[in-house]
Amino acid sequence: GQSLEQPSEVTAVEGAIVQINCTYQTSGFYGLSWYQQHDGGAPTFLSYNALDGLEETGRFSSFLSRSDSYGYLLLQELQMKDSASYFCAVSRNTGGFKTIFGAGTRLFVKA
Amino acid sequence: GAVVSQHPSWVICKSGTSVKIECRSLDFQATTMFWYRQFPKQSLMLMATSNEGSKATYEQGVEKDKFLINHASLTLSTLTVTSAHPEDSSFYICSASDGHHTDTQYFGPGTRLTVL
Repeated sequence: GQSLEQPSEVTAVEGAIVQINCTYQTSGFYGLSWYQQHDGGAPTFLSYNALDGLEETGRFSSFLSRSDSYGYLLLQELQMKDSASYFCAVSRNTGGFKTIFGAGTRLFVKA
Repeated sequence: GAVVSQHPSWVICKSGTSVKIECRSLDFQATTMFWYRQFPKQSLMLMATSNEGSKATYEQGVEKDKFLINHASLTLSTLTVTSAHPEDSSFYICSASDGHHTDTQYFGPGTRLTVL
């Protein structure tokens, strides 16, 4: 089968750094993506890793270790507007390409 | 960047009626489109994958006769919820891939369906 695990909630203060971990189990692994979703809105793409290592995009970075089936999203210099749900998603290609989403992590940023 | 639109953004209907949701790629050709459903405070659940000109591939547990998907052109896919019931009330989101970068999906803004 396939599964993704990420924490359900994380709380941090403005200006801090927070790391959201994601472990996965799947066949036909292609890559790991991260999406942000504010309440009532659609997911927006943040980052994608197909190879091991760190990808940096502004305040957001994402890391992948394929051998450990593990990745994380790192958010730096947290702002209040970063309060949202963050989903890790596995792209797999087993007789057809598809993306499976994790349950999501709600991030609360406090002043 | 690639833009995907959905119409309508929200719809309220009576139980037993059918509702059609459109998903359009505005500035690229979408060889593959995906339909997701999201209940409040839950994750996105993939319902089906549709490729232009062929039948959609439905995920296990999704009734293909209830959720009709048509991908008639490279810029349009439609999801029709037939004989909708209150338990079908949800946030329906489509995404599209241009085929060149199969690992990149562009999401529409979603359609909130409420069945009374």
